Amino acid sequence: SQTIHQWPATLVQPVGSPLSLECTVEGTSNPNLYWYRQAAGRGLQLLFYSVGIGQISSEVPQNLSASRPQDRQFILSSKKLLLSDSGFYLCAWSVGSNQPQHFGDGTRLSIL
Amino acid sequence: AQTVTQSQPEMSVQEAETVTLSCTYDTSENNYYLFWYKQPPSRQMILVIRQEAYKQQNATENRFSVNFQKAAKSFSLKISDSQLGDTAMYFCAFMTSIASEKLVFGKGMKLTVNP
Repeated sequence: SQTIHQWPATLVQPVGSPLSLECTVEGTSNPNLYWYRQAAGRGLQLLFYSVGIGQISSEVPQNLSASRPQDRQFILSSKKLLLSDSGFYLCAWSVGSNQPQHFGDGTRLSIL
Repeated sequence: AQTVTQSQPEMSVQEAETVTLSCTYDTSENNYYLFWYKQPPSRQMILVIRQEAYKQQNATENRFSVNFQKAAKSFSLKISDSQLGDTAMYFCAFMTSIASEKLVFGKGMKLTVNP
């Protein structure tokens, strides 16, 4: 069966520091991969998605970036974190377009 | 713009009772997909049920069923025989066949099942 791993679960970072969140999927090949952010009391907002290695689509312009160095690996990065980057970040995968997306356990990011 | 509205921010129900969560959406597209996700206190987002807009038959998954009214752009979730483990945030979401990677979420609704 397919599983999705996301780490770390919790992260506290100072303003201006870099960020790297990692997500990997097991048990499937060539999945679509997604990064979402959930602000407190709100629904999820799609940040990036990828339909293949090296293919990244950005939904919301900001100081975050995403990369997909391997088929089942999706990384969310920032060179300099802002206070507004605080939130709950969720990685997800699907077998293709218009298919249900399955989420990881999320990373709680706090910026001090 | 495509939007999802969950007008009830919070509900509570007694164990074993039935509860209905409401959701409306707005889109000009004809082909789309609707979802209900559940997010318990553990924070993991779990798919509850899915409905294709081209299907007239309402989707059912065990104790969970939907009432899909396409003309009214309404997609409510009915939970029968509520259990304590159903306590969670519930999010309604949809995606169109054109923007086929983008799930648009509502703000969510907190459901509490009381013993």
